[in-house]
Amino acid sequence: GQQVQQSPASLVLQEGENAELQCNFSTSLNSMQWFYQRPGGSLVSLFYNPSGTKQSGRLTSTTVIKERRSSLHISSSQTTDSGTYLCAMNNYAQGLTFGLGTRVSVFP
Amino acid sequence: GGIITQTPKFLIGQEGQKLTLKCQQNFNHDTMYWYRQDSGKGLRLIYYSITENDLQKGDLSEGYDASREKKSSFSLTVTSAQKNEMAVFLCASSSGLGAIQDTQYFGPGTRLLVL
Repeated sequence: GQQVQQSPASLVLQEGENAELQCNFSTSLNSMQWFYQRPGGSLVSLFYNPSGTKQSGRLTSTTVIKERRSSLHISSSQTTDSGTYLCAMNNYAQGLTFGLGTRVSVFP
Repeated sequence: GGIITQTPKFLIGQEGQKLTLKCQQNFNHDTMYWYRQDSGKGLRLIYYSITENDLQKGDLSEGYDASREKKSSFSLTVTSAQKNEMAVFLCASSSGLGAIQDTQYFGPGTRLLVL
């Protein structure tokens, strides 16, 4: 089965709303990253977050390694936040294992 | 800062053709990766390389060859393109040996379509 589960699969927001994206891992992991991808665009690393909470502007990532989960909180969403958010884990092997992503659409 | 460049941006091939994708990075990173992104399947690792002339197989290496000619470049070859294949190939790099602890940076991707 899928080692990295993301939820929800898609999310529709009105500008200004907050959102929480979840990432759950079925195996133990060493670290994880959150990425952002626009349609047809490259991946942009948002957070490298092995554990704890990190914040960057309106985005906050919280990882609880022993519970094998991470979340990404978007506050006061903007239309420019629209795109796909991917989480990925690094579990002592080379390379990252990705989830399928959460597609976020923010409307004015 | 640095940048990862992938060429070509778009690649249209025919069934059975051998197709080569190129990736360059100027981060001076040791480790480079090739991923494939299919709709509904997420990104999957094809090959990675921890240093010049090193190659390591990922989960999806069958049907591909790779070459790390120098530290800054990593090439991927589709050995025999499959009809109606459509995917995005993403190159990435990270610093350090093994790169377990390090952030990966991605290129803009090469979009492949096989007729």
